[in-house]
Amino acid sequence: DAKTTQPPSMDCAEGRAANLPCNHSTISGNEYVYWYRQIHSQGPQYIIHGLKNNETNEMASLIITEDRKSSTLILPHATLRDTAVYYCIVRFILTGGGNKLTFGTGTQLKVEL
Amino acid sequence: NAGVMQNPRHLVRRRGQEARLRCSPMKGHSHVYWYRQLPEEGLKFMVYLQKENIIDESGMPKERFSAEFPKEGPSILRIQQVVRGDSAAYFCASSPGFGGETQYFGPGTRLLVL
Repeated sequence: DAKTTQPPSMDCAEGRAANLPCNHSTISGNEYVYWYRQIHSQGPQYIIHGLKNNETNEMASLIITEDRKSSTLILPHATLRDTAVYYCIVRFILTGGGNKLTFGTGTQLKVEL
Repeated sequence: NAGVMQNPRHLVRRRGQEARLRCSPMKGHSHVYWYRQLPEEGLKFMVYLQKENIIDESGMPKERFSAEFPKEGPSILRIQQVVRGDSAAYFCASSPGFGGETQYFGPGTRLLVL
């Protein structure tokens, strides 16, 4: 799986958009970009994933650059409960089955009043 | 729709004892993954199983650790003769299998070896 690079920490004011960047310059054409978060040692929570196109769900938006070498996770209106470690993971999906997730060190997002 | 369930949530063992961690995947999921998170570290993949088959065990320590996912019942991660270095959070994830590979995680089991 391709290596990802994320800033170790970020701060965000409550109510503002949180934009979390991720670099994955060695990504291959059939690798997906996944985002998970871990709130204070709980089990990782799936947020969103994408291949080429931008994606949006009830939690967040994922913006992938045209060359796919980087992406940004956007939490449109961050709340204190969004304080967590956010992991960007690039992953190749095997036909007919899954494979492992390789977690890096992630970005510690702190949302403050 | 119940999520991934793990039990026990906390487990205390003395050195040399056995630890058994159980994981019930989400309904309809046939793939199970185990990950370990040492204190102050990220999650590390251990093993990937489908029903009655180990698909990838590249992250499993060579000794004392084993995993199974029987045809009926939960997946079991077994650690024999535990040592203090086994103290960690063990997370299980499941995915549907064919056509949907997003992994959904359980709350984890915190193992403390005294």
